[in-house]
Amino acid sequence: NAGVTQTPKFQVLKTGQSMTLQCAQDMNHNSMYWYRQDPGMGLRLIYYSASEGTTDKGEVPNGYNVSRLNKREFSLRLESAAPSQTSVYFCASTPQRTDTQYFGPGTRLTVL
Amino acid sequence: QKEVEQNSGPLSVPEGAIASLNCTYSDRGSQSFFWYRQYSGKSPELIMSIYSNGDKEDGRFTAQLNKASQYVSLLIRDSQPSDSATYLCAVNNLRGDFGNEKLTFGTGTRLTIIP
Repeated sequence: NAGVTQTPKFQVLKTGQSMTLQCAQDMNHNSMYWYRQDPGMGLRLIYYSASEGTTDKGEVPNGYNVSRLNKREFSLRLESAAPSQTSVYFCASTPQRTDTQYFGPGTRLTVL
Repeated sequence: QKEVEQNSGPLSVPEGAIASLNCTYSDRGSQSFFWYRQYSGKSPELIMSIYSNGDKEDGRFTAQLNKASQYVSLLIRDSQPSDSATYLCAVNNLRGDFGNEKLTFGTGTRLTIIP
């Protein structure tokens, strides 16, 4: 049982490049979330998915898209990366009928 | 006004003493409250959850909730150097609407335990 996994761990992009951050959980959780964490800003919700096939915007969705591929996987895509998207990205998931979130190890992204 | 506020610290506490971390929230309808610990370069790790007014104890950790005053606190007894980390307070005001839970996080308090 690996919990919540994220790939890659680190990534450097140039402005305008695209990439997809991958997240998977093997705990049969229903809800999944993508956050970004910046110094002094705390964790901010980008997108979340309450169940397979549904996604909703969070606090800071601009510049991102998501896909809930199946119950296990929730990916975050940057279509045209900008330096303002330099951050640490965390994926989280929640078991059914609870509101406790469990976090993945994070992806540290730098956009030059 | 921020929805969830924490003193950013750093808070320095001698080893063996009690560390007290505080959090206030603005939404009076909030129903679920969480404390996460985050070591530098690592992901948040759940320490405590509390849903009712009063105290909840788990080992050296005690969470305290006062909904009337809109604050939640975390006490760490017999502080150890391994407790040095950033502590994040999180609040959910949609408990019961499972599937649409969204946590609002504070910016965290950096705690340093001095040997």
